[in-house]
Amino acid sequence: QSVLTQPPSASGTPGQRVTISCSGSSSNIGSYYVYWYQQLPGTAPKLLIYKNNQRPSGVPDRFSGSKSGTSASLAISGLRSEDEADYYCAAWDDSLSGWVFGGGTKLTVL
Amino acid sequence: QVQLVQSGAEVKKPGASVKVSCRASGYTFGSYYMHWVRQAPGQGLEWMGIMNPSGGSTRYTQRLQGRVTMTRDTSTSTVYMELSSLRSEDTAVYYCVRGTQERYPIYYMDVWGKGTTVTVSS
Repeated sequence: QSVLTQPPSASGTPGQRVTISCSGSSSNIGSYYVYWYQQLPGTAPKLLIYKNNQRPSGVPDRFSGSKSGTSASLAISGLRSEDEADYYCAAWDDSLSGWVFGGGTKLTVL
Repeated sequence: QVQLVQSGAEVKKPGASVKVSCRASGYTFGSYYMHWVRQAPGQGLEWMGIMNPSGGSTRYTQRLQGRVTMTRDTSTSTVYMELSSLRSEDTAVYYCVRGTQERYPIYYMDVWGKGTTVTVSS
């Protein structure tokens, strides 16, 4: 059971906008930044969004992040087939004194 | 460019230990922390702990306390993660991940190594 809660799956058609949610508590998302990672099939995760809504260089602006209270969201607009991947949210957790992840959301592009 | 090169796959018997290495290049080794994260087959990501390569201090997840040890060799810019008393549940891909300061003492994970597969089987 993951500390952060994500839906196990999401889907959309090319060009659509999809959002993936990440729910936590006051000891993690409610007090600290949220990070998002993209894991393409058979590869290592890659940082997609940092500090709630910042994109590392090279990440398209189709990807955006937001946070409100103890929840966060990742939005992908103009969906492409190459966006098909697993997406994970992460945050520092005060109670555990460590990093926690969501269980991951498998995004399918139909 | 920043690179984290990990050691090759390992197969171990239950009860044995495994030591995975991660050599960093493309940045100042002592200026960034290093995390270890693992992923069991078909499962999500699990944070294992973090080390400060400069001073050698470490913080481990409580779940693995007593079984995991992180060390470093500053002369070769290499960090090591050793896991002892292996069980089948430790079968996973182990990643080293560079840690960049968010605000002291929190370091977020930015650059990932390609991973090292560790299989525990009798």
